[in-house]
Amino acid sequence: EDQVTQSPEALRLQEGESSSLNCSYTVSGLRGLFWYRQDPGKGPEFLFTLYSAGEEKEKERLKATLTKKESFLHITAPKPEDSATYLCAVEGGGATNKLIFGTGTLLAVQP
Amino acid sequence: GAGVSQSPSNKVTEKGKDVELRCDPISGHTALYWYRQSLGQGLEFLIYFQGNSAPDKSGLPSDRFSAERTGGSVSTLTIQRTQQEDSAVYLCASSPRTSYGYTFGSGTRLTVV
Repeated sequence: EDQVTQSPEALRLQEGESSSLNCSYTVSGLRGLFWYRQDPGKGPEFLFTLYSAGEEKEKERLKATLTKKESFLHITAPKPEDSATYLCAVEGGGATNKLIFGTGTLLAVQP
Repeated sequence: GAGVSQSPSNKVTEKGKDVELRCDPISGHTALYWYRQSLGQGLEFLIYFQGNSAPDKSGLPSDRFSAERTGGSVSTLTIQRTQQEDSAVYLCASSPRTSYGYTFGSGTRLTVV
C-alpha cells in the first residue's frame, strides 16, 4: 500500500534559521512526488514536482530533493511569511492517478 | 477563470439532509479531483475525472457520496443523508494532465449539526 510519512509534525524556527522537512514514502512505481504549501483556510498551493531520484528543484528560499525512499524540503534563511503547513504527496504506478498525501509539517517562523 | 472556484465556501447543514458542492475547474484542464481534509488528517482522495473516461470512484467512503462532471467542466459532489462524520473541508483540484501539479480551490467547509 502506498504511504507517505512526514516529519516533524511541527517545527518552530527563528527568522534566518535554516532547516529541513522530511517526507518518507513507500510506493509501487513512483510517477511523481509533489510538495504543496497550505495556509490556514486555503487550499494547498503547488510548489514542486520531482520525478526521479537525484532530482532537485528550487524556488526562492525552498529547495526540494528526492531519493528512492524520501524527499527533503530545505528552507534557507526562512522569513515569517514562510509560515504554513507543508504537504508532501506521491503518485504511484497504479491504474489511478490519485495523489497520496502525508499529514504535513506545520512550520512557524518567528521574527 | 484564473483559478479553481468552489461554492459554497461554507455550508452548515442538519444531519440527514442532502448537500451539493460545486467545483469550477480551470478552463482546459481535463483532470478533476475531489479530496476531503478532516481536522488533523491528511487529504483523503474521493474521486477522479479524466476527460471522457469513466471516473475513478474508489475513494468514495459510502454510497451516500456521488459526483458528476458535466461537459468535461463543472463538477458537483453530492452527499445524501449527511452524517456528523461527513464534516470536513472538501477540496477540488484540476490539472492539465496526469503526473502534473494540481491547482486546488479554496474548498468548501461542511459542518453537519
